[in-house]
Amino acid sequence: SAVISQKPSRDICQRGTSLTIQCQVDSQVTMMFWYRQQPGQSLTLIATANQGSEATYESGFVIDKFPISRPNLTFSTLTVSNMSPEDSSIYLCAGGSYNEQFFGPGTRLTVL
Amino acid sequence: SQELEQSPQSLIVQEGKNLTINCTSSKTLYGLYWYKQKYGEGLIFLMMLQKGGEEKSHEKITAKLDEKKQQSSLHITASQPSHAGIYLCGADHSGAGSYQLTFGKGTKLSVIP
Repeated sequence: SAVISQKPSRDICQRGTSLTIQCQVDSQVTMMFWYRQQPGQSLTLIATANQGSEATYESGFVIDKFPISRPNLTFSTLTVSNMSPEDSSIYLCAGGSYNEQFFGPGTRLTVL
Repeated sequence: SQELEQSPQSLIVQEGKNLTINCTSSKTLYGLYWYKQKYGEGLIFLMMLQKGGEEKSHEKITAKLDEKKQQSSLHITASQPSHAGIYLCGADHSGAGSYQLTFGKGTKLSVIP
C-alpha cells in the first residue's frame, strides 16, 4: 500500500491569489491524479499528473487555471490560480496501481 | 444523469445491525472501488472488484460485483460506531485498464450506539 500526504491540509485565500498544494507518496507509484470534491458533490477528476511531461486534463479543466507538476514518481503539485470563491473545495491527490488507488487526506480550500 | 448511483444517500442504523449499500452503474464496470471517507481523513481504500460475481471481504465488510458487472453492493455485518462515515464507490468504465475513476455521490452511514 501507499501512504499519501498533502500540504497544506487547509487554507483560506483571497480572491485573485494562487495556492500550490503538494502531494507526497511514500513509495513510487505508477499513476498520480488530482481530484476535486465540491460541497455535497462526488469527486471529480481534474487531471492525471504525468512524470516529466505535461499533465492530462479532463474536460472543463485547463492548465492555465490548474498547473500541475510531477518531477518524479513520488511527488506532485497542483496550483489553483487566480482563485475565486467557486474554487472553494477539497482537493485530493491520489496514486497507486490499478488494483489499489490510494488518496491523500485532502486540502480544504476556502476562497473569500 | 449520473453514471454511478449510490443508494441509499444516507443510512442510520443501530449498532450491531447489518446493512447494505448499493452502487449501480449505467455502464459496464471494469473495475469497481470502494472507499470510506471520514471528515479530514481523506479516502480510505477498502477493496477493488473486477470480475463478475467476485466477492471480497475485509473484516466485517463484504463487497460483491454482480455477474453483469453493472452493480456492486457493500455489506456490513454487525455494524459498529467505527463504521460510520461516507462510503464512496468509484468505477473504471473504460475497460482499458484506465486508472481514471468516476465516483458516486456517496452514502452517509451513521451508527447509533
